[in-house]
Amino acid sequence: AQSVTQLDSQVPVFEEAPVELRCNYSSSVSVYLFWYVQYPNQGLQLLLKYLSGSTLVESINGFEAEFNKSQTSFHLRKPSVHISDTAEYFCAVSDLEGGSEKLVFGKGTKLTVNP
Amino acid sequence: EAGVTQFPSHSVIEKGQTVTLRCDPISGHDNLYWYRRVMGKEIKFLLHFVKESKQDESGMPNNRFLAERTGGTYSTLKVQPAELEDSGVYFCASSRDMGALNTEAFFGQGTRLTVV
Repeated sequence: AQSVTQLDSQVPVFEEAPVELRCNYSSSVSVYLFWYVQYPNQGLQLLLKYLSGSTLVESINGFEAEFNKSQTSFHLRKPSVHISDTAEYFCAVSDLEGGSEKLVFGKGTKLTVNP
Repeated sequence: EAGVTQFPSHSVIEKGQTVTLRCDPISGHDNLYWYRRVMGKEIKFLLHFVKESKQDESGMPNNRFLAERTGGTYSTLKVQPAELEDSGVYFCASSRDMGALNTEAFFGQGTRLTVV
């Protein structure tokens, strides 16, 4: 079965500092990878995804993630964070067991951006 | 276009009672998923509907949980009788095509269930 590890449960940073949220997954087969974000009092929103092709994927709000097959990682980065980036971030991997496509999530990382 | 809507947003019930959660997917989305996050743990898959049929219910924890999607529109998730360990946030998601991972799965805001 697939699994996802997000080692950091909480990451506090100052505004305009760079940030990296780490994600490692267990599968040795081809996978699809996702980062979801949950802002306070909102549902999960897809931030970015890797399906195939270029290993570097970007979101519209300046985040990027790089698929590294050899290290089974999909870390999320942003060179300069804003207060509005404060949220919980979830890494997820596709899982095809059981006859349907579904997501396997990590435990989440709470990013707090301080002024 | 309205998003995925879940009712209620919060529910507090006593152990042994029954609770029914509802999810209204985005109109036209055949795929509907239920996930659950127990405090401090991962968001875990519960089951997947394609229209009114259960495609995969491998994540349902036990027979106290019953999910339905009559007519292939909205879905309900009933917990009867509720136990303390059922507390958590229940998320619903929907997507347009089979192969949700090639199309985006849209999530609702979740229902926070507290069993006391």
